[in-house]
Amino acid sequence: ETGVTQSPTHLIKTRGQQVTLRCSSQSGHNTVSWYQQALGQGPQFIFQYYREEENGRGNFPPRFSGLQFPNYSSELNVNALELDDSALYLCASSSGLAGGTGELFFGEGSRLTVL
Amino acid sequence: SQQGEEDPQALSIQEGENATMNCSYKTSINNLQWYRQNSGRGLVHLILIRSNEREKHSGRLRVTLDTSKKSSSLLITASRAADTASYFCLFKAAGNKLTFGGGTRVLVKP
Repeated sequence: ETGVTQSPTHLIKTRGQQVTLRCSSQSGHNTVSWYQQALGQGPQFIFQYYREEENGRGNFPPRFSGLQFPNYSSELNVNALELDDSALYLCASSSGLAGGTGELFFGEGSRLTVL
Repeated sequence: SQQGEEDPQALSIQEGENATMNCSYKTSINNLQWYRQNSGRGLVHLILIRSNEREKHSGRLRVTLDTSKKSSSLLITASRAADTASYFCLFKAAGNKLTFGGGTRVLVKP
């Protein structure tokens, strides 16, 4: 069974640029959620996808967008990067109906630095 | 803030001692989960307690849930140096928002 994988693991961007982060969900999981974790803070929920549809969103501006593909892998896109977007971005997959609160399986994260 | 409240923010104990941390939330929940995170890496699921359960055990972990007070506690008994990590509670808030607590950083000294 393949776990959750995220890419890239580290990246550096400059203000105003755009970034795409990728996540492969665990085999058999149909739900993916994304989180932003600043240093020393708890993860903050960005959004969740269930069977290719967004079914939950946190308090993030529209420049944070996402996709879920038919194989349930996912992308997080962030446009017009700001310095405060520097953080660890975590992806988690789970199985369940309409994104129920079952156990989440996390990837190791993508660490984004915005200069 | 989306986050639930956790306390203490940090905890330092000797190996063999118990560690207790608390999580409070404001919404109705179906379940509450606890996760561990080592050094800014991915989170690992520890235990899930349903809203109709009051206490649950898993190895050296004991979780309680008081839905009337909207709070949960995680107890780690007989702690080990390998338990050094950050611990987070997770619940689903209104609008399908998965919400983590602010976390408790636990340091277990050998």
